[in-house]
Amino acid sequence: KQEVTQIPAALSVPEGENLVLNCSFTDSAIYNLQWFRQDPGKGLTSLLLIQSSQREQTSGRLNASLDKSSGRSTLYIAASQPGDSATYLCAVSIGSGYALNFGKGTSLLVTP
Amino acid sequence: GAGVSQSPSNKVTEKGKDVELRCDPISGHTALYWYRQRLGQGLEFLIYFQGNSAPDKSGLPSDRFSAERTGESVSTLTIQRTQQEDSAVYLCAGGPSGGTDTQYFGPGTRLTVL
Repeated sequence: KQEVTQIPAALSVPEGENLVLNCSFTDSAIYNLQWFRQDPGKGLTSLLLIQSSQREQTSGRLNASLDKSSGRSTLYIAASQPGDSATYLCAVSIGSGYALNFGKGTSLLVTP
Repeated sequence: GAGVSQSPSNKVTEKGKDVELRCDPISGHTALYWYRQRLGQGLEFLIYFQGNSAPDKSGLPSDRFSAERTGESVSTLTIQRTQQEDSAVYLCAGGPSGGTDTQYFGPGTRLTVL
């Protein structure tokens, strides 16, 4: 059974810092990996999707990398802002039509 | 509508009662998923619909849980004889196809069973 782990569980940083969130998964035979953002009382917002054949994806201040063979992904957030405060979830899919397998998330607080 | 909507946003019920949760996906999205998020836990897959194919019910935790979807429209998740451990946020997600594309999530229904 695929297990997805996110470290750290919680993180607090001052505004302006660069930071890295980590995700690991036990079965490297994934189809794709996604990073989501979850705000209190709201649904999940997809940030980046990396197909299994890709090494990284970038969107604005966000960069996600994927090392499928070692079962690891990182989400890099540059120049963090208070508006980045949220829970960040990592999820993997093992194939087309399969549901996502989620980690428990990293709760991020960026202080002004 | 512009996004996935779910109703009600909050539901408080007594143990033993039945509840029905509703999801309105984005028009044209053939794939629809239900997930459950219990406090401090990751999202757990419950059920998956793809067009008119038979649903994947492999994530349903017990026979008290069921879901329906007619074609590519609204889906309802029903929990019978609710238990306190059913308390969670129930999230619905959809997409234009299964797996390949990103999933678009609704805001969720927070269910509290007293």
